[in-house]
Amino acid sequence: GQNIDQPTEMTATEGAIVQINCTYQTSGFNGLFWYQQHAGEAPTFLSYNVLDGLEEKGRFSSFLSRSKGYSYLLLKELQMKDSASYLCAVSDSNYQLIWGAGTKLIIKP
Amino acid sequence: DGGITQSPKYLFRKEGQNVTLSCEQNLNHDAMYWYRQDPGQGLRLIYYSQIVNDFQKGDIAEGYSVSREKKESFPLTVTSAQKNPTAFYLCASSIGAGDYNEQFFGPGTRLTVL
Repeated sequence: GQNIDQPTEMTATEGAIVQINCTYQTSGFNGLFWYQQHAGEAPTFLSYNVLDGLEEKGRFSSFLSRSKGYSYLLLKELQMKDSASYLCAVSDSNYQLIWGAGTKLIIKP
Repeated sequence: DGGITQSPKYLFRKEGQNVTLSCEQNLNHDAMYWYRQDPGQGLRLIYYSQIVNDFQKGDIAEGYSVSREKKESFPLTVTSAQKNPTAFYLCASSIGAGDYNEQFFGPGTRLTVL
């Protein structure tokens, strides 16, 4: 079966750095997405990785290792507005997105 | 501005009634999707459509129906056969179902069945 694992919840301090991990086992791989979702709102796109390595975009970076079935999202200089759920999704062999359950990130002042 | 609209944002229905959730996009995307999200869970795919007049069942299609008569529109009907319909429903679209398939989401409809 297809499976994506993320921690359920993480807590971090304003101004700090946090790393949210995602491991996956899917039938095929055509890229990995990270989305941010604030409570009661729609998910919004953060990043996309299809090749191994690090993609940096401002305070957010995303890393992929296809051989290990592993990705992480790195958030730097945390702000209170970063309190949200972060969803990992893998595009499988049929180009369907398989979604993880999401990681709820709580930022404390 | 291009985007996806869903209406209404909140919807209340009595048990046993069918209800239709609307989803419209003006992004000229070919593919459209319906997801259900329950508290503490990820997105679960209900139905998807890659082209007008064609749609496929997702992982949890039982108790739901869709139509795709126009490229811009992909309404979802929650029927009385759906045993636990109270949830947050998200509609999404992408350029196509192949290659780079970033999905863009509407604001969602929160359905409560009383």
